Amino acid sequence: KAGVTQTPRYLIKTRGQQVTLSCSPISGHRSVSWYQQTPGQGLQFLFEYFSETQRNKGNFPGRFSGRQFSNSRSEMNVSTLELGDSALYLCASSRAQETQYFGPGTRLLVL
Amino acid sequence: EDKVVQSPLSLVVHEGDTVTLNCSYEVTNFRSLLWYKQEKKAPTFLFMLTSSGIEKKSGRLSSILDKKELFSILNITATQTGDSAVYLCAVGSTYNTDKLIFGTGTRLQVFP
Repeated sequence: KAGVTQTPRYLIKTRGQQVTLSCSPISGHRSVSWYQQTPGQGLQFLFEYFSETQRNKGNFPGRFSGRQFSNSRSEMNVSTLELGDSALYLCASSRAQETQYFGPGTRLLVL
Repeated sequence: EDKVVQSPLSLVVHEGDTVTLNCSYEVTNFRSLLWYKQEKKAPTFLFMLTSSGIEKKSGRLSSILDKKELFSILNITATQTGDSAVYLCAVGSTYNTDKLIFGTGTRLQVFP
């Protein structure tokens, strides 16, 4: 069974630009969660989608948004990038309220 | 505010040693506690614990949960250099969400 896939794996952007990251969950998983990982803050919850609905949101500014499609694939978008947005963005999928499995992440560098 | 605290932050041992990693939590409506291992990229799943006192075991790794004292431990026996990683503890709640609250992790370094 294929694992969680994320694209792109690496991204370099400049301040003020926007970025879209993609996540394809494990087949049959309808829940997708996004996390931001930085050396200083560790893994921080961004948001969670289930059946195309945002079910929960973390404490991030409105520049961070996401969506989920009918095939459970999910995208997250960050607008007006800031230097502090440089991080590893991880996507995790699960059958609802079961073990979450993580993708390889997208490493974003904002210059 | 919900929180998960791991200790120690860092651990350096020699191959063959046994280590114990700690995770304590304060979470509203606890549902489950999960352990992950993170080497370079994605955290990989180790254990999910939901009931107190029941040990989960996988090879040299084992874990147990104490819901009364609100903590869990992860034991690794006969450590190997391949065990070097950051070990993350995460807690989920019973609300209608898959959100996990993570601790900052314990960095384990195993030297030959």
